[in-house]
Amino acid sequence: QKEVEQNSGPLSVPEGAIASLNCTYSDRGSQSFFWYRQYSGKSPELIMFIYSNGDKEDGRFTAQLNKASQYVSLLIRDSQPSDSATYLCAVKAYSGAGSYQLTFGKGTKLSVIP
Amino acid sequence: GAVVSQHPSRVICKSGTSVKIECRSLDFQATTMFWYRQFPKQSLMLMATSNEGSKATYEQGVEKDKFLINHASLTLSTLTVTSAHPEDSSFYICSANTVKQSTDTQYFGPGTRLTVL
Repeated sequence: QKEVEQNSGPLSVPEGAIASLNCTYSDRGSQSFFWYRQYSGKSPELIMFIYSNGDKEDGRFTAQLNKASQYVSLLIRDSQPSDSATYLCAVKAYSGAGSYQLTFGKGTKLSVIP
Repeated sequence: GAVVSQHPSRVICKSGTSVKIECRSLDFQATTMFWYRQFPKQSLMLMATSNEGSKATYEQGVEKDKFLINHASLTLSTLTVTSAHPEDSSFYICSANTVKQSTDTQYFGPGTRLTVL
């Protein structure tokens, strides 16, 4: 059973601070890692993906991957109230018969306080 | 990013009726589409994987006779909830793989909120 674990939160940070979101996964064969943002009542929106160990930066967002520790994180710098949402970690692994499956964590709810 | 649309965005129906939800990839060809269901305050749960021109693969616990999936073209997949009951009320979301990018990223449609009375 592939598992993706996230702290459900809520995580509250003041505006302008760095928000740190964490995710661990159980399948060592996992190949790619995604962060999605989901506003209440809306579908997930892709923020970033990462495949290789280390950091990947895109604007205010930095994804960090450590495959040895089976750990992936998302840092949001200069947090804004509009960043308040649920952040979903998703892990893609080979599921057999030539296909890949995306497994989602339950999400971390982030609240950015003005 | 790639665009995926869903129709309808919201549907209310009586218990026992069938509801069809369409998922379209608007600017790319999607060989694989996925159907998810999300109950309030829960995470996304994969229901089935739909490959163009072949039968869908259903996740354990998902009734294939109740949730009919058709993927007739590279841009359209449909999910039909047959004989819907109140416990089927949920947020149904499709996603599609874009094959034009090496990242093989899944993009989500806006979702369909189903309420069964």
